[in-house]
Amino acid sequence: AQSVTQLGSHVSVSEGALVLLRCNYSSSVPPYLFWYVQYPNQGLQLLLKYTTGATLVKGINGFEAEFKKSETSFHLTKPSAHMSDAAEYFCAVSSNAGNMLTFGGGTRLMVKP
Amino acid sequence: DVKVTQSSRYLVKRTGEKVFLECVQDMDHENMFWYRQDPGLGLRLIYFSYDVKMKEKGDIPEGYSVSREKKERFSLILESASTNQTSMYLCASSPPGQGLAGADTQYFGPGTRLTVL
Repeated sequence: AQSVTQLGSHVSVSEGALVLLRCNYSSSVPPYLFWYVQYPNQGLQLLLKYTTGATLVKGINGFEAEFKKSETSFHLTKPSAHMSDAAEYFCAVSSNAGNMLTFGGGTRLMVKP
Repeated sequence: DVKVTQSSRYLVKRTGEKVFLECVQDMDHENMFWYRQDPGLGLRLIYFSYDVKMKEKGDIPEGYSVSREKKERFSLILESASTNQTSMYLCASSPPGQGLAGADTQYFGPGTRLTVL
C-alpha cells in the first residue's frame, strides 16, 4: 500500500521568504510523485510531477521539488514567496499498476505582507 | 487545455433527497474519478471509472453510486443524502496510466460544494 504524509497542515511565511512544504511517502516500488495547488474556491491544478530521470523537478510559478529516494521525500520549495502563492498544496503518489493517486492531507500556505 | 466541468458550484439539499452531481471532460480521457475533500483529510477517492459502463470502488464508496454511459460524462449519485455527506466534491479525468509505472496526471474540475440540511 502507498501513503503520503504532509508535515504541517498550516505553514505561514513572510512575503519574499523561502517556502518549504514537506511531503514524505511510502511505497514498495519506484513512485510517480505529484504536487497540486488549490486556490480558494477552485479545483486542483498540477504544479509539477516526477516520473523518472532528473530528481530535481521544476514546475509552474517558480516552484520546484526534489525526489530523494533515501529519505522517501518530495519536498516542495520556492525561493521567494509571493502573496499570490497563498493556497492549499497537496502531494500525491502513484506507485501501483493502475490509474490511481493517493493524496496527502494538504498544507495551507499563508503569506504575510 | 483540458477542461473538466461540474454541473454546480454550490448545492443545498435536504436529508433523504436523491442528489446527482455531473461531470464532463472534453479531452477524450479514459479515466474519470470522484473525490470528496474534507479539511485535514485531503482528497478521498469515492469511485473511479476506466471506461464507459465500467466502475471501481474507491476508498469511501458507501452511500454513493456512479454512472458512466458516455465517455465524456461521469455522474455521482447520492441515493439518500445525509448530513455527513456535506462536503466538497471534486471530479477529475486522466489518460490511461503508464502501465506498471503508475498513474498519469489527473485534471480536476472546479468542485461542487454540497450542503445537506
